[in-house]
Amino acid sequence: DGGITQSPKYLFRKEGQNVTLSCEQNLNHDAMYWYRQDPGQGLRLIYYSQIVNDFQKGDIAEGYSVSREKKESFPLTVTSAQKNPTAFYLCASSDAGQGTDTQYFGPGTRLTVL
Amino acid sequence: AQSVTQPDIHITVSEGASLELRCNYSYGATPYLFWYVQSPGQGLQLLLKYFSGDTLVQGIKGFEAEFKRSQSSFNLRKPSVHWSDAAEYFCAVGAGGRRALTFGSGTRLQVQP
Repeated sequence: DGGITQSPKYLFRKEGQNVTLSCEQNLNHDAMYWYRQDPGQGLRLIYYSQIVNDFQKGDIAEGYSVSREKKESFPLTVTSAQKNPTAFYLCASSDAGQGTDTQYFGPGTRLTVL
Repeated sequence: AQSVTQPDIHITVSEGASLELRCNYSYGATPYLFWYVQSPGQGLQLLLKYFSGDTLVQGIKGFEAEFKRSQSSFNLRKPSVHWSDAAEYFCAVGAGGRRALTFGSGTRLQVQP
């Protein structure tokens, strides 16, 4: 089955630690995205990548880093510089090659800082 | 800059009643518009989308939405709500070209038996 996988489902981080969230897709999509969701809020864009080896900052990139070395993978690192990282993180990819930019989402990772 | 407003934070309807969730957008050109649904602790599932053509769009699970350019709206409707429709609903607008979407803050739907 084609789709987007995120791991782990739950992640706990101690103060001062960096953690990496995994996002993999087998949809052959060029574009991938990371969003952050907080209770009662919509999704806010952290980073996005329109093509391999290229990515752009979103609205709330501070304290986060990404890489895009492979088409199917777009990992997100939450660094110790992110002051309030507890949130639900969603990865998405889009079939922009069809000109429709429809985004499909993974199941999410819930990060909690202890 | 594009933006999306979902005026209703929380809506409660009785099972079998009709539903309309409101969405207003701000965008300078013809927008790409989407409705997604999210169950607790899950990712987002696409309900329907509008790019061009017929302004009444049919989606999955019996949902439909109507694009009204004059009102900058893209309201989601369903004639008869089922208990399984209880979830959070997000409206989003996109500019195309592989750029990211801008989401509204969501409307939480509760269904009473």
